[in-house]
Amino acid sequence: AQSVTQLGSHVSVSEGALVLLRCNYSSSVPPYLFWYVQYPNQGLQLLLKYTSAATLVKGINGFEAEFKKSETSFHLTKPSAHMSDAAEYFCAVSDRQAGTALIFGKGTTLSVSS
Amino acid sequence: DAGITQSPRHKVTETGTPVTLRCHQTENHRYMYWYRQDPGHGLRLIHYSYGVKDTDKGEVSDGYSVSRSKTEDFLLTLESATSSQTSVYFCAIGGGGISYNEQFFGPGTRLTVL
Repeated sequence: AQSVTQLGSHVSVSEGALVLLRCNYSSSVPPYLFWYVQYPNQGLQLLLKYTSAATLVKGINGFEAEFKKSETSFHLTKPSAHMSDAAEYFCAVSDRQAGTALIFGKGTTLSVSS
Repeated sequence: DAGITQSPRHKVTETGTPVTLRCHQTENHRYMYWYRQDPGHGLRLIHYSYGVKDTDKGEVSDGYSVSRSKTEDFLLTLESATSSQTSVYFCAIGGGGISYNEQFFGPGTRLTVL
């Protein structure tokens, strides 16, 4: 069965610092991988997705993630944090069968201080 | 929110009463999903639909039923609400074809069961 582990339920950075949110997955076959962001009292918005076209995936708002098969990881990074990046971030996985539901990690709350 | 609405957005009800949440899409997506979000658990799949009148159970389906009589509407029913069903409920659409199982989320319904 597939699963997702997000290391660190809460990450705090200073404005301008590197953001690194960790995600490891478990899957017997190469999956699709996603990062979503949730701002307070809102729904989830897709940041980026990995579909095997390229291992380094660029998303919205300056975020990117790298798929590393050997490490079963899909960590999310941003070179310079902005106050507006404060939110909850979810990593999710699905297998490649059309319509398969997403399996989510438990989320990481990112705090950005000035 | 990719043409997805949820109603009601907030609801307070009492234990033992039936509750129906509605998800409406204008995107003509085949697949629709209901998730619940609880602190420390991320999002967990309740039920999903892969077409009109075609539905299946997810990870946390006990106490919930669903119906889909039209492509655009997916209803989630709590037959007899319990306090453990206090949660935020999200509907999602997508998950097929060239979207690589990407899902788009509605704004959520906050349900409180007293």
